[in-house]
Amino acid sequence: DAKTTQPNSMESNEEEPVHLPCNHSTISGTDYIHWYRQLPSQGPEYVIHGLTSNVNNRMASLAIAEDRKSSTLILHRATLRDAAVYYCILRGTGSARQLTFGSGTQLTVLP
Amino acid sequence: DAGITQSPRYKITETGRQVTLMCHQTWSHSYMFWYRQDLGHGLRLIYYSAAADITDKGEVPDGYVVSRSKTENFPLTLESATRSQTSVYFCASSEPAYGPKTQYFGPGTRLLVL
Repeated sequence: DAKTTQPNSMESNEEEPVHLPCNHSTISGTDYIHWYRQLPSQGPEYVIHGLTSNVNNRMASLAIAEDRKSSTLILHRATLRDAAVYYCILRGTGSARQLTFGSGTQLTVLP
Repeated sequence: DAGITQSPRYKITETGRQVTLMCHQTWSHSYMFWYRQDLGHGLRLIYYSAAADITDKGEVPDGYVVSRSKTENFPLTLESATRSQTSVYFCASSEPAYGPKTQYFGPGTRLLVL
């Protein structure tokens, strides 16, 4: 799977939007962009995924650059419960093998 | 309850003992995975299974054994525990091979080897 680059940490104020960036310049045409998050002392949790178009769900939005070399996870109104490590992961369309987790972005939400 | 469960949630054992960590999922997902997470490292894959009776090694398989006689269960055994196997272990399951293959994770087992 292609490599992703994320900032080590970010801070946000509660109830403000958060934009978490991810660079993936070596992405292939068939790679899906997945985001997972890991809350303290819990297992990773699926957040959202996309291929080419921007995506929205109840948790977040995913904005994908036109050249697909970067993407941004958007939390529209951060809450204290959104404090977690956020992982951006690329997945091909081959067999359902493992997720390759990088170091992710530690999001701190300030009250 | 539907979902993926792990047991025990916490385990303390001694060096040299055999330990089995259990994982059970209710979705009938084909794929199941075992990861370990250590301080200073991301999650690393130990073993995975594509279906009952089909397993394969991941990134860090040494010292671990898996089996999958039933689709819903995927136990992980440490045959002779070592201190370096102190870690948090996560089980996950995944939809079939087609599609985006979202993985669903269990709550983890925290293992301490003395």
